[in-house]
Amino acid sequence: AQSVTQLGSHVSVSEGALVLLRCNYSSSVPPYLFWYVQYPNQGLQLLLKYTSAATLVKGINGFEAEFKKSETSFHLTKPSAHMSDAAEYFCAVSDGANFGNEKLTFGTGTRLTIIP
Amino acid sequence: EAGVAQSPRYKIIEKRQSVAFWCNPISGHATLYWYQQILGQGPKLLIQFQNNGVVDDSQLPKDRFSAERLKGVDSTLKIQPAKLEDSAVYLCASSLLDSGNQETQYFGPGTRLLVL
Repeated sequence: AQSVTQLGSHVSVSEGALVLLRCNYSSSVPPYLFWYVQYPNQGLQLLLKYTSAATLVKGINGFEAEFKKSETSFHLTKPSAHMSDAAEYFCAVSDGANFGNEKLTFGTGTRLTIIP
Repeated sequence: EAGVAQSPRYKIIEKRQSVAFWCNPISGHATLYWYQQILGQGPKLLIQFQNNGVVDDSQLPKDRFSAERLKGVDSTLKIQPAKLEDSAVYLCASSLLDSGNQETQYFGPGTRLLVL
């Protein structure tokens, strides 16, 4: 069974500061890993995904994440926070072996607050 | 390109009543998912369709939940009868394989259900 653990249900950073959202995964097979963002009253939007190519993945809105197998981690970072980054962020894992049948298992989410 | 459409956006019902949600996926997307997102948690997969066939409904509470995708396009999710614990956001997602056999799920805005 696959799972993800997001450390910190709430994270607050100052505008312009580094954003670091933590995600650790558990998977018995090589995983595909995803970060999604959810703005209030909206659906989830894909930020980035890791699918066994480059370990450093760049996504939209200046976010990136690094896959570290030794640490079973896939932390999300952004060098400089913007007010518009305030949202809920979800890490997710899927079984990368089943093309077209990649059921996502989500973490519990981290709510990011940006302090002006 | 139009996104995933869902209706209604909000629904309030009393326990033991019935309710139905509708989803229209992105045109051409063969795979459709329904997720349940309880407040403070990540989305949990309820059912996955490939065209009009069910791929996985292992986490669907079949005594009260049902879903169909008769023509392989639109889908409906029904709850009958509803319980208090069914209060959640119901998300629909659709996906398509790209040229590299990579799948990306696109989410609709969700239907927020409150059971009183």
